[in-house]
Amino acid sequence: DQQVKQNSPSLSVQEGRISILNCDYTNSMFDYFLWYKKYPAEGPTFLISISSIKDKNEDGRFTVFLNKSAKHLSLHIVPSQPGDSAVYFCAAILTGGGNKLTFGTGTQLKVEL
Amino acid sequence: KAGVTQTPRYLIKTRGQQVTLSCSPISGHRSVSWYQQTPGQGLQFLFEYFSETQRNKGNFPGRFSGRQFSNSRSEMNVSTLELGDSALYLCASSFGSSGDYGYTFGSGTRLTVV
Repeated sequence: DQQVKQNSPSLSVQEGRISILNCDYTNSMFDYFLWYKKYPAEGPTFLISISSIKDKNEDGRFTVFLNKSAKHLSLHIVPSQPGDSAVYFCAAILTGGGNKLTFGTGTQLKVEL
Repeated sequence: KAGVTQTPRYLIKTRGQQVTLSCSPISGHRSVSWYQQTPGQGLQFLFEYFSETQRNKGNFPGRFSGRQFSNSRSEMNVSTLELGDSALYLCASSFGSSGDYGYTFGSGTRLTVV
């Protein structure tokens, strides 16, 4: 049972435009969410996170939005750069349930010149 | 500061063999978690160790086991390897305290079972 889903396996955007990566979850007990970026042959790198008590968190070009009623979060990258081309994973935590990340299956982002 | 170090980077084993993977966390981090990444499945949680004790376990068969040493280094063992165990195995370390979700991942060990 996939509790965290990223329904778009790939996304292609032009340099300078906005990239929007989506993530849905089914477990309403999740209360902390993270986004990771992963290059081939490297481990995931933390990008940005959000607590369920917030609906938005911003860090430079990256903004994460959380819609708890829809059990949906999204990552916006503005402006997109070629170096952003990577696989992006969203992950969820049930705080108080141990340090276990439940990951989505990832979205391959390609930023084209 | 040094990151999370996983050894070896690549490994080829035969079905039925066993394998041990190693993870050295960031200095001061007491929690080490292990994840399996396979195509189409994303990253699946295996287990977490904190202060030499297994604190959390995912839904993997008993062939997958781990341990943590007093210096926080962790090892993961897979016995009686199957072809489906071919994957990238990642470990992540953190301070492990409540509310701390600052996980840092290693580059992984690519295991191929033939």
